[in-house]
Amino acid sequence: AQSVTQLDSQVPVFEEAPVELRCNYSSSVSVYLFWYVQYPNQGLQLLLKYLSGSTLVKGINGFEAEFNKSQTSFHLRKPSVHISDTAEYFCAVIGMGAQKLVFGQGTRLTINP
Amino acid sequence: DGGITQSPKYLFRKEGQNVTLSCEQNLNHDAMYWYRQDPGQGLRLIYYSQIVNDFQKGDIAEGYSVSREKKESFPLTVTSAQKNPTAFYLCASSRTYGSHGDEQYFGPGTRLTVT
Repeated sequence: AQSVTQLDSQVPVFEEAPVELRCNYSSSVSVYLFWYVQYPNQGLQLLLKYLSGSTLVKGINGFEAEFNKSQTSFHLRKPSVHISDTAEYFCAVIGMGAQKLVFGQGTRLTINP
Repeated sequence: DGGITQSPKYLFRKEGQNVTLSCEQNLNHDAMYWYRQDPGQGLRLIYYSQIVNDFQKGDIAEGYSVSREKKESFPLTVTSAQKNPTAFYLCASSRTYGSHGDEQYFGPGTRLTVT
């Protein structure tokens, strides 16, 4: 079985500052990894995903994530955030051969002017 | 435009009443899912369907029921047996079920309040 831990429940940052949202996973098999964003009172939207190949994955809205197999991490980064990035971010994992996508608890990103 | 629609956006019911949440997709996806979202608890899987006329219980199926009579539709009924039904409900779909790297596409959600 897989599990996901998002290490920070809330992350406050100032506008135009860089941000990193941390995600660690546990799995005995190879995995596929996803980051989703949820704006208030909306559904989830895919930011990016790692399936294979390059460990640095670029997504929408200037976000990127790096897959680190040795540290079992998939941290999400953005070099300069905007007010519009205020949202909740979910990391998710599914193991190869597994059936179910497992979500982390979410990280609430708050951008202060 | 392809996507997932959920209706209504907000739903209010009295305790003891069953209520059905609608979910429709025009993405031609085989798999569909229902999640429940509560503050600080992430997403919890209620039911999923790998293909039409098939569905399976997820992690928190008690007090819920579903049907999958058409590929594009996966309605969720919240019954009076569900002890804490007030929550945000999200429907999702994916091309296939299981670990093929297919991402899930989400609807806008229905916020259910039961008093």
